[in-house]
Amino acid sequence: AQSVTQLDSQVPVFEEAPVELRCNYSSSVSVYLFWYVQYPNQGLQLLLKYLSGSTLVKGINGFEAEFNKSQTSFHLRKPSVHISDTAEYFCAASHSGAGSYQLTFGKGTKLSVIP
Amino acid sequence: GAGVSQSPSNKVTEKGKDVELRCDPISGHTALYWYRQSLGQGLEFLIYFQGNSAPDKSGLPSDRFSAERTGGSVSTLTIQRTQQEDSAVYLCASSFGHTGDPQHFGDGTRLSIL
Repeated sequence: AQSVTQLDSQVPVFEEAPVELRCNYSSSVSVYLFWYVQYPNQGLQLLLKYLSGSTLVKGINGFEAEFNKSQTSFHLRKPSVHISDTAEYFCAASHSGAGSYQLTFGKGTKLSVIP
Repeated sequence: GAGVSQSPSNKVTEKGKDVELRCDPISGHTALYWYRQSLGQGLEFLIYFQGNSAPDKSGLPSDRFSAERTGGSVSTLTIQRTQQEDSAVYLCASSFGHTGDPQHFGDGTRLSIL
């Protein structure tokens, strides 16, 4: 079984400031990790994914995340946020073996960018 | 279209009625997933289809919930005898079904049970 914990339910940040959204996972097997963004009344859009290889993953819209196996973390970062980044962000995991690849999601972090 | 299409976008119905939600996945995607997003529970997996294999129904919350996928493409999620706790946004996603493939989500159906 696996679980995903997003430590902050809401994060307010001023425009052009850096932001970090935290995510920790627990799993008894190897996992793949994802960050999705959800704008109001829309579905989830993939920001980035970690499967293997380099632990620093770059995604769309200037976001990046770092996989840290020893700390079982996959925190999302952006050096300078824009108003348009206001949305809800979900960290998710799926196992890497055979079978169903359903995603286990964290509870989400609402990012509010303040002008 | 290029993305996952879900219909209707909104559905309001009375408690006890049956509802059907439709998902049209991205062409060529063999894997299809249904998730439920509600305020109290966050995003929960419901059911997974992969090609012609038997579906993984392990996330369905009760026997009032069922889903089918016809011809390996369009899927319908059916909720019978709806209850107020079924109110949620139902999201469909599809992927190529290979390990690590990201899932692409539709905009969801917002279901409200009166």
